[in-house]
Amino acid sequence: KNQVEQSPQSLIILEGKNCTLQCNYTVSPFSNLRWYKQDTGRGPVSLTIMTFSENTKSNGRYTATLDADTKQSSLHITASQLSDSASYICVVSEGQAGTALIFGKGTTLSVSS
Amino acid sequence: EPEVTQTPSHQVTQMGQEVILRCVPISNHLYFYWYRQILGQKVEFLVSFYNNEISEKSEIFDDQFSVERPDGSNFTLKIRSTKLEDSAMYFCASSAPGGGYSYEQYFGPGTRLTVT
Repeated sequence: KNQVEQSPQSLIILEGKNCTLQCNYTVSPFSNLRWYKQDTGRGPVSLTIMTFSENTKSNGRYTATLDADTKQSSLHITASQLSDSASYICVVSEGQAGTALIFGKGTTLSVSS
Repeated sequence: EPEVTQTPSHQVTQMGQEVILRCVPISNHLYFYWYRQILGQKVEFLVSFYNNEISEKSEIFDDQFSVERPDGSNFTLKIRSTKLEDSAMYFCASSAPGGGYSYEQYFGPGTRLTVT
């Protein structure tokens, strides 16, 4: 069964600190892996998209890595800000058309001052 | 910046009633999607739509659901006979010209459906 698992479930860090979120997936056929940020009550917003041939991709203070062999990904956030408080969701695109997205449950990040 | 819009923001309906959720995708996008998120749970894919037909659909998207692009701007999700378990946030999304698997999907703010 196609699954996306994330850890930790929740995380609290101090403003200015770095953190790393983890994602493991069992999705076949694999098309690409995405990280989304979702604020409470809002739609997800894309941070990065990586195909199987990409190992790393950055978007400002967000850096995602992908190991397609071990089916693991991570999202590293540097110099966290209060506005980073949100749910971070790992999403894997599957299927021949690659349009169906399989979502993880997300990691809830709280940044405190 | 162009964005996906959805109406209404909140819909309350009685069990067994039909509902239509409406979305206006980004104007030059060609792929359209519906997702749902039951409170406290993860987002789930329902259906993707391209060139006036369903491209992919999940097991959730049964005969009670249908999608339509009635004109050049709207994309709708219809639930024929709502059930209590249909209560969720429904997100519409669209992706860039040419669509395809590597294109970013832009999500709308969602419609919260409450079935009583």
